[in-house]
Amino acid sequence: DIVMTQSPDSLAVSLGERATINCKSSESVLYSSNNKNYLAWYQQKPGQPPKLLIYWASTRESGVPDRFSGSGSGTDFTLTISSLQAEDVAVYYCQQYYSTHYSFGQGTKLEI
Amino acid sequence: EVQLVESGGGLVQPGGFLRLSCAASGFTFSTYSMNWVRQAPGKGLQWISYIRSGATASFYADSVKGRFTISRDDTRNSLYLYMNSLTAEDTAIYYCTTESEGGSYSPYWGQGALVTVSS
Repeated sequence: DIVMTQSPDSLAVSLGERATINCKSSESVLYSSNNKNYLAWYQQKPGQPPKLLIYWASTRESGVPDRFSGSGSGTDFTLTISSLQAEDVAVYYCQQYYSTHYSFGQGTKLEI
Repeated sequence: EVQLVESGGGLVQPGGFLRLSCAASGFTFSTYSMNWVRQAPGKGLQWISYIRSGATASFYADSVKGRFTISRDDTRNSLYLYMNSLTAEDTAIYYCTTESEGGSYSPYWGQGALVTVSS
């Protein structure tokens, strides 16, 4: 199974500053036939289900603010929040959907 | 509006059985693959099972394989998870999720059903 590892486990960032969360997969999640990375990012706030932010590693879900961006390819990926807002406090998860056994990273807790 | 509503959670004794249901609405359920994802208290997300549209394939995480069974009833727009031989490690919130038309990421999640395994 593909293991997803996020770093850091927790992160404190000031309002208006940039937040960067990393995700590394144990195998490449880049599908060569379509050149797509099978990698998604989710945001989870306390007491709520996860919310899809990014898919195909860099495509923002409809309605997600453009301060959220995803990058990377192969095995190394990054979620960036360009200017942290108070409502961005949450736990963030990466997920690979390349293999039939989907897997999530352990989560990164983002605080102010 | 897409809605996923889980039910059937509760307290069950170790070694017991439980069936979770997920009622779907707001989309053509039969054409979408579905997943169950769980989250133990204070822990991260764990994918546990997938069923393809048309029920032509299903997959399980190693931690539940042989004990859990996923199924769907497209006539009732419902997804199910049959859970046998439950242990304390199965205590979690269980979410049903849809996949997208374009890929196997999950744009829609239910609110979750809490399963507590305890004597």
